[in-house]
Amino acid sequence: GQQLNQSPQSMFIQEGEDVSMNCTSSSIFNTWLWYKQEPGEGPVLLIALYKAGELTSNGRLTAQFGITRKDSFLNISASIPSDVGIYFCAGQLRYGQNFVFGPGTRLSVLP
Amino acid sequence: ETGVTQSPTHLIKTRGQQVTLRCSSQSGHNTVSWYQQALGQGPQFIFQYYREEENGRGNFPPRFSGLQFPNYSSELNVNALELDDSALYLCASSLGQGRGEQFFGPGTRLTVL
Repeated sequence: GQQLNQSPQSMFIQEGEDVSMNCTSSSIFNTWLWYKQEPGEGPVLLIALYKAGELTSNGRLTAQFGITRKDSFLNISASIPSDVGIYFCAGQLRYGQNFVFGPGTRLSVLP
Repeated sequence: ETGVTQSPTHLIKTRGQQVTLRCSSQSGHNTVSWYQQALGQGPQFIFQYYREEENGRGNFPPRFSGLQFPNYSSELNVNALELDDSALYLCASSLGQGRGEQFFGPGTRLTVL
């Protein structure tokens, strides 16, 4: 089946630093979603992207739909301790099909 | 607006038993998708229900089955439980048939002994 790759797998950063992570695939997707999951909870939707090249922000978070439609990027500016969690990307090949999830990027923020 | 809810929160079963998990979709949403999330992995798609009909299925055996009711709530049933079925089961609701944002519930943690 379709697979998404996320990098880095995990990262440790200092509070206040900016964070960048990405999601890549060998297939072309028409929708990208970014989620954050904390221990014992379900994923929370952060940003949805529907168009190649689209850049969308949600507070300190910014995500981009890659021009090739095979990748997406998430940036977090001025990280804070509550940014800790696992960030998942999810892609949809075609409308009406299910979403495929990446393995996640685990973010740790050091005070 | 009520979010996605799931019950029970936790469940312990033994191998060979059957289990039913429940999900209430976010108000106004008519599509429910079920995912299995093993420890340390991303969610894996099980199936989706749209207007009470199964609308897509992932690579899961037939002992994983589901239902959607007229109020768009849904059940996931798993028969003949195996140890590898231990996971967090997530339900996500959306408006429309697989288009747009999916919103997740808190999940049901299933442990099979």
